[in-house]
Amino acid sequence: KAGVTQTPRYLIKTRGQQVTLSCSPISGHRSVSWYQQTPGQGLQFLFEYFSETQRNKGNFPGRFSGRQFSNSRSEMNVSTLELGDSALYLCASSLGLESHASPLHFGNGTRLTVT
Amino acid sequence: GNSVTQMEGPVTLSEEAFLTINCTYTATGYPSLFWYVQYPGEGLQLLLKATKADDKGSNKGFEATYRKETTSFHLEKGSVQVSDSAVYFCALTDGDSGYALNFGKGTSLLVTP
Repeated sequence: KAGVTQTPRYLIKTRGQQVTLSCSPISGHRSVSWYQQTPGQGLQFLFEYFSETQRNKGNFPGRFSGRQFSNSRSEMNVSTLELGDSALYLCASSLGLESHASPLHFGNGTRLTVT
Repeated sequence: GNSVTQMEGPVTLSEEAFLTINCTYTATGYPSLFWYVQYPGEGLQLLLKATKADDKGSNKGFEATYRKETTSFHLEKGSVQVSDSAVYFCALTDGDSGYALNFGKGTSLLVTP
């Protein structure tokens, strides 16, 4: 069974630009979550989608947005990039039950560098 | 919101040594607790979990007990192997939603032969 696939693996962007990251979940998983990982802040929750609906959102500015398609694939968009957005962005999929009953399966991430 | 604090790394141990990685939490209500592990070059994966007080999660020789009285979920293994070298993350369910997890900053473990 294929794991969670994130594309691209690496991105280099300039301040002010926007970027779109893609995530394909494990087949049969209807929930996709996004996390930002940085050395200083660790892993921080961005948002979670289930059946094309955002169910939960973390404490990030509106420049960070996402969506989920009918095939459960998800995209995350960051507009007006800032240097501080440089991070590893992780996608995780799950069956979508409550967290304790539905473990997260993570992809290898997209490394975004903003210059 | 709910949060976890885990010990800073890196932790370096010799093979067959005893491992403890401390994790304490602050939460409202009754969160579920998790340990995730990230092996070199791989994505995070669930190591073990506990959903209520006094539960013990276990997997691959690792154990952690949900201690409500001390708000802790320390990870232990009696005899580590070189293959256990990885980054370990303590996590708990978010107070507002069971669908989000709040993670600690991770503890890097290096096991030497």
